Amino acid sequence: EAGVAQSPRYKIIEKRQSVAFWCNPISGHATLYWYQQILGQGPKLLIQFQNNGVVDDSQLPKDRFSAERLKGVDSTLKIQPAKLEDSAVYLCASGWSSDSPLHFGNGTRLTVT
Amino acid sequence: AQSVTQLGSHVSVSEGALVLLRCNYSSSVPPYLFWYVQYPNQGLQLLLKYTSAATLVKGINGFEAEFKKSETSFHLTKPSAHMSDAAEYFCAVSDRQAGTALIFGKGTTLSVSS
Repeated sequence: EAGVAQSPRYKIIEKRQSVAFWCNPISGHATLYWYQQILGQGPKLLIQFQNNGVVDDSQLPKDRFSAERLKGVDSTLKIQPAKLEDSAVYLCASGWSSDSPLHFGNGTRLTVT
Repeated sequence: AQSVTQLGSHVSVSEGALVLLRCNYSSSVPPYLFWYVQYPNQGLQLLLKYTSAATLVKGINGFEAEFKKSETSFHLTKPSAHMSDAAEYFCAVSDRQAGTALIFGKGTTLSVSS
């Protein structure tokens, strides 16, 4: 089966600019997650979707981050405006259900200068 | 709140030696437990998972982990390290009843020398 696809792989922007990341999960996977992985740390959950509904966005900085999953398939994560501390790898993951193992994409590495 | 603690941010072993990566969890309910591996510039790959069927879980690439409720531990082991095992390893926990997302530890970097 095809894996989780993410784009772009790398992005460099200046602070206060906006950026968007895209994720295409494995076909049929109902749950989709966005994680932020800062260098030297474990992934931190930003938002969890079940189909096109949000299950958990308690750790999403909603003043600057937004995410949507239209039609319960692809998802986009947006940052506006970006800060230096947003420099990280943004990982998308999907699963059949909330208690099934996650399949991760290769991530988008964001550098904010 | 659930959490995992990985003891040792960096572990170095010689090729052929035993690999032991430590993970302790904190959970008020029986959790699901996972080990993931991350190679440079790649996403995370599932090594193995514990979902209560058996306390000794075997995974891919010769790795295994044992769930010890009395010690709240889920340590990862491999009898003989290979150069290709050098990577970042993450322990993760989730609440099986609530269906919450995975919470990851900070990771342990495994180095293997010849």
